[in-house]
Amino acid sequence: IAGITQAPTSQILAAGRRMTLRCTQDMRHNAMYWYRQDLGLGLRLIHYSNTAGTTGKGEVPDGYSVSRANTDDFPLTLASAVPSQTSVYFCASSDSDSTDTQYFGPGTRLTVL
Amino acid sequence: GQNIDQPTEMTATEGAIVQINCTYQTSGFNGLFWYQQHAGEAPTFLSYNVLDGLEEKGRFSSFLSRSKGYSYLLLKELQMKDSASYLCAVTDSNYQLIWGAGTKLIIKP
Repeated sequence: IAGITQAPTSQILAAGRRMTLRCTQDMRHNAMYWYRQDLGLGLRLIHYSNTAGTTGKGEVPDGYSVSRANTDDFPLTLASAVPSQTSVYFCASSDSDSTDTQYFGPGTRLTVL
Repeated sequence: GQNIDQPTEMTATEGAIVQINCTYQTSGFNGLFWYQQHAGEAPTFLSYNVLDGLEEKGRFSSFLSRSKGYSYLLLKELQMKDSASYLCAVTDSNYQLIWGAGTKLIIKP
């Protein structure tokens, strides 16, 4: 059982380019989340999905979009990357909502130049 | 606004005991989590408190006082592998998880 996987592990991207970060879980969890983690700021929620077919905005959604076509996959897209989106991105999942333990993927380190 | 406060960094000695505090001000409360995060890795679950009191799990214990908006994580018999960041997170009344910035714990021999 892999749990939750993310791809790529790291990426250097030119500003203005489009980028999709992939996230897949095999735990049949209903809820999935995307966070960014920057030094001194902790984890900040970008978008979430409580169940397949639904998504919601988190604390810092601007410049990002998500989709949840099925239970397992929750891709995060940067339509036109900017340097302030340089960060470590974590995908997570939980059985139902945020009262359940969240399980995190290994993260994607993204650098936008 | 919603806020979670934790010390930025703490230092402790191998074999000793350390207490990491977390205070929170959130719109409602539906539970408090502690996660451990080693450098360069993903956070992993340590404990969950929804009722007042102490939850013990091996060398780690977590305490909650809802009336005081306060929790602590107690680590006993510290080992070098306990060097990590410890993240406090609270689920608010809208079932949003609010994260603290984390406490970096440095263990010295």
